[in-house]
Amino acid sequence: KQEVTQIPAALSVPEGENLVLNCSFTDSAIYNLQWFRQDPGKGLTSLLLIQSSQREQTSGRLNASLDKSSGRSTLYIAASQPGDSATYLCAVSSSSNTGKLIFGQGTTLQVKP
Amino acid sequence: DTEVTQTPKHLVMGMTNKKSLKCEQHMGHRAMYWYKQKAKKPPELMFVYSYEKLSINESVPSRFSPECPNSSLLNLHLHALQPEDSALYLCASSQGPGGPWEQYFGPGTRLTVT
Repeated sequence: KQEVTQIPAALSVPEGENLVLNCSFTDSAIYNLQWFRQDPGKGLTSLLLIQSSQREQTSGRLNASLDKSSGRSTLYIAASQPGDSATYLCAVSSSSNTGKLIFGQGTTLQVKP
Repeated sequence: DTEVTQTPKHLVMGMTNKKSLKCEQHMGHRAMYWYKQKAKKPPELMFVYSYEKLSINESVPSRFSPECPNSSLLNLHLHALQPEDSALYLCASSQGPGGPWEQYFGPGTRLTVT
């Protein structure tokens, strides 16, 4: 059974700092891994999708890496801003025919001005 | 356009009421999903529709009844809910069913059962 873990559960950093969020999964047989952002009471915004054959994806100040063999992904945020404050969720897709996403518990990030 | 819309944004209903949640996407996606998210927890999958047919029901109680009238719309009919069903209900869609496709989420409906 696939399990996804995110560390740390919460993180507080000063503005401008570079930071790394971690995600680990127990079964390396995945199709893809997605990173999402969720603001309080809102829906999920897809940030990056990494296919199982890829090692990393970049979008602006965000860079996500994937190491399937070790069951790990990291989300790197450069030059953090107060507007980056949110909960970040990683999710893996392990099923070939359902698209079911298994989510981690999330990391709640606060960037202080 | 990668937008999934959901209505209503908020819903308060009594345990004897019947209500429906609506979800719509115009991206030509052929898979649509309902997730339930309790406070400070990650989303949990409820149903998957693939090519307008129900393909996955994650052992959800029958008081939740999904419906897919066409490829762009997904409804969730609610009846005789319990207070513990209060949660954020999220709809998502993807280009196709199965593993490789990116999922796009709507803003959610905040449901309160009194």
